[in-house]
Amino acid sequence: EAQVTQNPRYLITVTGKKLTVTCSQNMNHEYMSWYRQDPGLGLRQIYYSMNVEVTDKGDVPEGYKVSRKEKRNFPLILESPSPNQTSLYFCASGEQAGYEQYFGPGTRLTVT
Amino acid sequence: QQPVQSPQAVILREGEDAVINCSSSKALYSVHWYRQKHGEAPVFLMILLKGGEQKGHEKISASFNEKKQQSSLYLTASQLSYSGTYFCGTEIPDSGAGSYQLTFGKGTKLSVIP
Repeated sequence: EAQVTQNPRYLITVTGKKLTVTCSQNMNHEYMSWYRQDPGLGLRQIYYSMNVEVTDKGDVPEGYKVSRKEKRNFPLILESPSPNQTSLYFCASGEQAGYEQYFGPGTRLTVT
Repeated sequence: QQPVQSPQAVILREGEDAVINCSSSKALYSVHWYRQKHGEAPVFLMILLKGGEQKGHEKISASFNEKKQQSSLYLTASQLSYSGTYFCGTEIPDSGAGSYQLTFGKGTKLSVIP
């Protein structure tokens, strides 16, 4: 089944404790992206990757890192999480940039 | 820059029509529409490209006015299953880098009641 998977789905952590949210797609898509969703603010793009060679910042990259070492995986790294990073995070992939995006199920992160 | 969606919320009875608007302060390359049901991930509806024609998806269609930098989503004869939050995403070519960024609006919450 074609899908985007994220792990974990739910995470409660403490300020400053490094964490990684994994994202994997099995559709051989070139384009991958991370979004955060907060009430009243919609979906905001954190980072995106055109392909394994090109990764760039979105609208809200501060406090996040990403890595695209292979086509199928695009992990989101929070080196020192803070409470303002409490949010619902979605990973998405598309055949290419500008095409339909397939979203993962989301990861709800709480930083205390 | 985030596109502006209007209205923020709308309540319809089954069978009624609705229009959701999306406007940008910048020239657009494309507009993407997604629907998100409560507790679920966003799901793709359609893409409208600069210079392209109006698109349709069942009883949901959309238009793209490049000069006004606006797109409108039309929901005809709404069904209960249309309930959810609708997001437009705008794509602005990034000069020089060859990269493209998709920026979503804050969403329009549509509720269809019997």
